[in-house]
Amino acid sequence: GAVVSQHPSRVICKSGTSVKIECRSLDFQATTMFWYRQFPKQSLMLMATSNEGSKATYEQGVEKDKFLINHASLTLSTLTVTSAHPEDSSFYICSATGLGISYEQYFGPGTRLTVT
Amino acid sequence: AQTVTQSQPEMSVQEAETVTLSCTYDTSESDYYLFWYKQPPSRQMILVIRQEAYKQQNATENRFSVNFQKAAKSFSLKISDSQLGDAAMYFCAYRPRAAGNKLTFGGGTRVLVKP
Repeated sequence: GAVVSQHPSRVICKSGTSVKIECRSLDFQATTMFWYRQFPKQSLMLMATSNEGSKATYEQGVEKDKFLINHASLTLSTLTVTSAHPEDSSFYICSATGLGISYEQYFGPGTRLTVT
Repeated sequence: AQTVTQSQPEMSVQEAETVTLSCTYDTSESDYYLFWYKQPPSRQMILVIRQEAYKQQNATENRFSVNFQKAAKSFSLKISDSQLGDAAMYFCAYRPRAAGNKLTFGGGTRVLVKP
């Protein structure tokens, strides 16, 4: 099956700093990538959809200036949490899809962000 | 807007027994996919089973099978011969057929397996 990686798996940062999370499709071209946020014991909440070479589409209520998404290549999308605050602490998951995998979504292993 | 509802927050099953997880959804689309994903303690989302709405035959994958009732907009998952490794959160999800469309997830059901 298709493989999606995320880096880092865990990150701790100080309040006010920015942190970047990478999502890579390792064996297919990802024309679309999705970013989710998951709070403890809750479901996945879609934050944004990014298409390669285009601006991301954000879900209602998601601050686009705080969560910067870049999808500059067919194998890499990044999520940058800017000026992070403790309430941004969460589990972030990406998924990727593309023609070569019949537009199924494959998920990365997630990134746990802790803001102190 | 599409919604997916999982009415059982938690289900418990004895090892080797069978458990059924419910899922209902609401959509005005006629062509779509339905999925069940498993999220073990590692938090990695794993696709368990996939159903195409235009197919009447229920999907099966080894010990996992679904009961898809399109008119009732119901999509339940049956886990047979439950194993300890089946313990996880299970999410039902919906996606319209068109390429690049996003998944809508249900709230999840935690499955506990008793030895």
